[in-house]
Amino acid sequence: DVKVTQSSRYLVKRTGEKVFLECVQDMDHENMFWYRQDPGLGLRLIYFSYDVKMKEKGDIPEGYSVSREKKERFSLILESASTNQTSMYLCASILGPRGDGLNYGYTFGSGTRLTVV
Amino acid sequence: QQQVKQSPQSLIVQKGGISIINCAYENTAFDYFPWYQQFPGKGPALLIAIRPDVSEKKEGRFTISFNKSAKQFSLHIMDSQPGDSATYFCAARLKAAGNKLTFGGGTRVLVKP
Repeated sequence: DVKVTQSSRYLVKRTGEKVFLECVQDMDHENMFWYRQDPGLGLRLIYFSYDVKMKEKGDIPEGYSVSREKKERFSLILESASTNQTSMYLCASILGPRGDGLNYGYTFGSGTRLTVV
Repeated sequence: QQQVKQSPQSLIVQKGGISIINCAYENTAFDYFPWYQQFPGKGPALLIAIRPDVSEKKEGRFTISFNKSAKQFSLHIMDSQPGDSATYFCAARLKAAGNKLTFGGGTRVLVKP
């Protein structure tokens, strides 16, 4: 069964800390994404990556950075955590240009609920 | 700027009833419109999807209706069951932008027995 695994389900961090959220997929997917989910706002794209060492800003990149040193791993970094970054963070992956069927969709991880105090 | 607007935010329906969720989009370059279903504690999972050259797609009790000229699409859940209680997200894809999905705000559906 294909999987996207996020390293932590729950995290509590202090304001100003540097926070790392890890995501690993075992499907040899090229495209990976980080979203944050907030009530009423849906899922908003933070960063995405086409391939190893490649990254693109999404709609709300401020305060975040990413790293993709290996194809299977995509890390989200909060350089200096703030309380407005308290949220559910979701990682997703998709095959990339090699696949394009109608039921070709993202595979999501179960999410990391981050609380910044 | 929210490019995909979803309504309502929440919905309560009796078992056996019809749940209807609506979405509207702005960018005519979107080329694929999926719906995702999310249960508590889980990530969203692909439910059903449609391309803009088709007006309707049905899979079991779930149907997408698509109106390209109005830039609107909707999800209908027929014969709603308590197990359908979840949050539903519509989305739209820009394939040219690396398969990036833009999501609506979500609808929390509660099906009462």
